[in-house]
Amino acid sequence: NAGVMQNPRHLVRRRGQEARLRCSPMKGHSHVYWYRQLPEEGLKFMVYLQKENIIDESGMPKERFSAEFPKEGPSILRIQQVVRGDSAAYFCASSPSGLGETQYFGPGTRLLVL
Amino acid sequence: GESVGLHLPTLSVQEGDNSIINCAYSNSASDYFIWYKQESGKGPQFIIDIRSNMDKRQGQRVTVLLNKTVKHLSLQIAATQPGDSAVYFCAEMGIIQGAQKLVFGQGTRLTINP
Repeated sequence: NAGVMQNPRHLVRRRGQEARLRCSPMKGHSHVYWYRQLPEEGLKFMVYLQKENIIDESGMPKERFSAEFPKEGPSILRIQQVVRGDSAAYFCASSPSGLGETQYFGPGTRLLVL
Repeated sequence: GESVGLHLPTLSVQEGDNSIINCAYSNSASDYFIWYKQESGKGPQFIIDIRSNMDKRQGQRVTVLLNKTVKHLSLQIAATQPGDSAVYFCAEMGIIQGAQKLVFGQGTRLTINP
């Protein structure tokens, strides 16, 4: 049973470039969540998606950040024109049927902006 | 804002001893709680969960206690082993900004001394 998959595991970008982070949920899970974690801190909710729908993006910065979960393929977290403050670990989680269910996390993507 | 916090940021115990990690929450309407373990460089790993209609739940070497009166959650690890060294997060399913989401605490770093 494959767990939540994320790639790349590490991503280095220069200021102003774009970062694309991918997440494939566990088999049978149709709900995806993205979190951000700074060193020595807890995870902060960013966005909750179902297939082709954004359910809750209240934790997502209004500019430069976007997320999608298309009918086919992985969920994508996209950060445009990255700045140094975007450097963090970004984790994706999935659940079978939404909130109130256990969320299972992927290994994360560590983004470093130079 | 965040409603989950931990009493102790670090905890050091002797191998073989029992560990207790505490967590306080402020949202009395939260009805689902999860403990995660995060090892260095990895994503959070589900340990155990509990719903608000219970006050105790046991797993393999782990027990979660929920005291709704004082809004307190604890994780007990029996006979700690070197592999238990990690950061432990409690997470609360609560209503934030009008939507239900998983809110993580700060985390407690558990260190096992040989």
